[in-house]
Amino acid sequence: QKEVEQNSGPLSVPEGAIASLNCTYSDRVSQSFFWYRQYSGKSPELIMSIYSNGDKEDGRFTAQLNKASQYVSLLIRDSQPSDSATYLCAVKRLSEAGGSYIPTFGRGTSLIVHP
Amino acid sequence: EADIYQTPRYLVIGTGKKITLECSQTMGHDKMYWYQQDPGMELHLIHYSYGVNSTEKGDLSSESTVSRIRTEHFPLTLESARPSHTSQYLCASTKGVSAEAFFGQGTRLTVV
Repeated sequence: QKEVEQNSGPLSVPEGAIASLNCTYSDRVSQSFFWYRQYSGKSPELIMSIYSNGDKEDGRFTAQLNKASQYVSLLIRDSQPSDSATYLCAVKRLSEAGGSYIPTFGRGTSLIVHP
Repeated sequence: EADIYQTPRYLVIGTGKKITLECSQTMGHDKMYWYQQDPGMELHLIHYSYGVNSTEKGDLSSESTVSRIRTEHFPLTLESARPSHTSQYLCASTKGVSAEAFFGQGTRLTVV
């Protein structure tokens, strides 16, 4: 089982709709969760972090965390064509050497927002 | 805007050549990472560093090597490039116990 699982998509939504992106993780002790956006040919950029159960809102973005279900989601309200990108879910895990925490990424979900 | 820089942005090189991909950050981050990503595919961690003189191999086996002599600098070297090394290489950094990663612009390597 991969540490971070995401449906690769593509997820296609009409402009103005709510896009819902989902992620599950395998390590029950994970405490920190992140969403990154990656435009085609570009580097990932951090858009949301969430550490506690519940919802965290930032503009049109809402991250939701359910630690009991090991589930993280990202909602994008009023989706725009400029939101079309790949969204990467990441968790903080202890490194193999045990010395520190490192970010571990899912394969990403491709989102297409069509006019 | 993150202050982490990679050079070169694009590189086309012949098989057997030695290459070094540069990565520098000015944020004072102690941890740095190299990821490899093929087009449309997931990120694979190939090397990371906790700090000066500390380097570890990542999840994906790689023929590359890294060094961390200065906090701000984390170069990646391929002693003998092969076509199978063709990929995008992304450098990232984090600070302390945070895993919020900041990425450089990437180096797109093509080995012919």
